[in-house]
Amino acid sequence: AQSVTQLDSQVPVFEEAPVELRCNYSSSVSVYLFWYVQYPNQGLQLLLKYLSGSTLVKGINGFEAEFNKSQTSFHLRKPSVHISDTAEYFCAVSDSGTYKYIFGTGTRLKVLA
Amino acid sequence: GAGVSQSPSNKVTEKGKDVELRCDPISGHTALYWYRQSLGQGLEFLIYFQGNSAPDKSGLPSDRFSAERTGGSVSTLTIQRTQQEDSAVYLCASSFDVGISNYGYTFGSGTRLTVV
Repeated sequence: AQSVTQLDSQVPVFEEAPVELRCNYSSSVSVYLFWYVQYPNQGLQLLLKYLSGSTLVKGINGFEAEFNKSQTSFHLRKPSVHISDTAEYFCAVSDSGTYKYIFGTGTRLKVLA
Repeated sequence: GAGVSQSPSNKVTEKGKDVELRCDPISGHTALYWYRQSLGQGLEFLIYFQGNSAPDKSGLPSDRFSAERTGGSVSTLTIQRTQQEDSAVYLCASSFDVGISNYGYTFGSGTRLTVV
């Protein structure tokens, strides 16, 4: 069965510093990968997705992620974070052609002034 | 509607009571999903609907949990004889079609259920 690992439960970072949130998934022939963000007391909002093609995916709010098939990773990056980026970030994977997403346990990003 | 709407946003109930959680998906979205988010854990799949039928109920934790969808629109998740371990945020999501759900779900804001 597919699984997703987000090793960092919390990541503190100073404002305007770069950040990387790590995501690894169990190997599969073909997968679709997603990052969602959840602000306090809100639902999940799609940040970006990888379906096929270029391994570098750009999303909203200046975030990007790189699909690395050999390392089965899909790490999320932002070159300069803002206070408003403080939220919980979830990585998700689905085997291509299936409807079910498997989510990681989330990484809480705290941006410090 | 413009987004996925869930009600109530918060629910506190006594152990042993039944609760109903409602989800109103985006108009035209045929696929609807329920997930549960427990403290410190990821999102746990509960059930998905295609139209009014539920091809996959495999995530429902016990027979105290049930869900239905009517008119291809509103869905209700019912938890009978609630237990404290049912306390969680219940999230609903919808998408146009299960075949293109890989483009991402649209989530509601969730119902925070607290069983005391």
